[in-house]
Amino acid sequence: GAGVSQSPSNKVTEKGKDVELRCDPISGHTALYWYRQSLGQGLEFLIYFQGNSAPDKSGLPSDRFSAERTGGSVSTLTIQRTQQEDSAVYLCASSLVGYIQYFGAGTRLSVL
Amino acid sequence: GESVGLHLPTLSVQEGDNSIINCAYSNSASDYFIWYKQESGKGPQFIIDIRSNMDKRQGQRVTVLLNKTVKHLSLQIAATQPGDSAVYFCADPHGFSGGYNKLIFGAGTRLAVHP
Repeated sequence: GAGVSQSPSNKVTEKGKDVELRCDPISGHTALYWYRQSLGQGLEFLIYFQGNSAPDKSGLPSDRFSAERTGGSVSTLTIQRTQQEDSAVYLCASSLVGYIQYFGAGTRLSVL
Repeated sequence: GESVGLHLPTLSVQEGDNSIINCAYSNSASDYFIWYKQESGKGPQFIIDIRSNMDKRQGQRVTVLLNKTVKHLSLQIAATQPGDSAVYFCADPHGFSGGYNKLIFGAGTRLAVHP
């Protein structure tokens, strides 16, 4: 596609449920990033993929958070046993050379 | 710790005026900075970048100034338009194995343009 695509755009879930967020990067971009943006806050780095491997997972806030990337393309961010503090906009970005990252519109997660 | 921060959380300007958004950084080793614009409901959009070997870089209606002595950069928007209303972030790419793998964002400044 022309840009980074994320789905769903909105997700409402109950506390304790698992959720999966999907990211389709720009075709050909080898690097993929996940960020989290809480209400009125800046963007917080979660994880970075180069190809299918994740050399930097330092931003994942707990072991309830995991991510994978397959075929050097689509990535899925999974949050297990969601908590209310997980409510945020989850943004995905991709890049060709690691400098300019292009962002998707994000998935707004609401945990009730 | 390292941080990239902004002086003003909200900036209100009249349409047609020039806007200046400021950003301070703490890591003197930072050598590259990026400005992003985020409109409501959208992801951040790249505006302009600058490397530390430059003091100034100009784009279309935007200029970024970098003062390495005081670790400060600013984004200037000329003839501000209603479409410029957004939150503006400065970001500092942090390296990993020789490349850049993550962006450290400031808290953001909201620019409100009034007619």
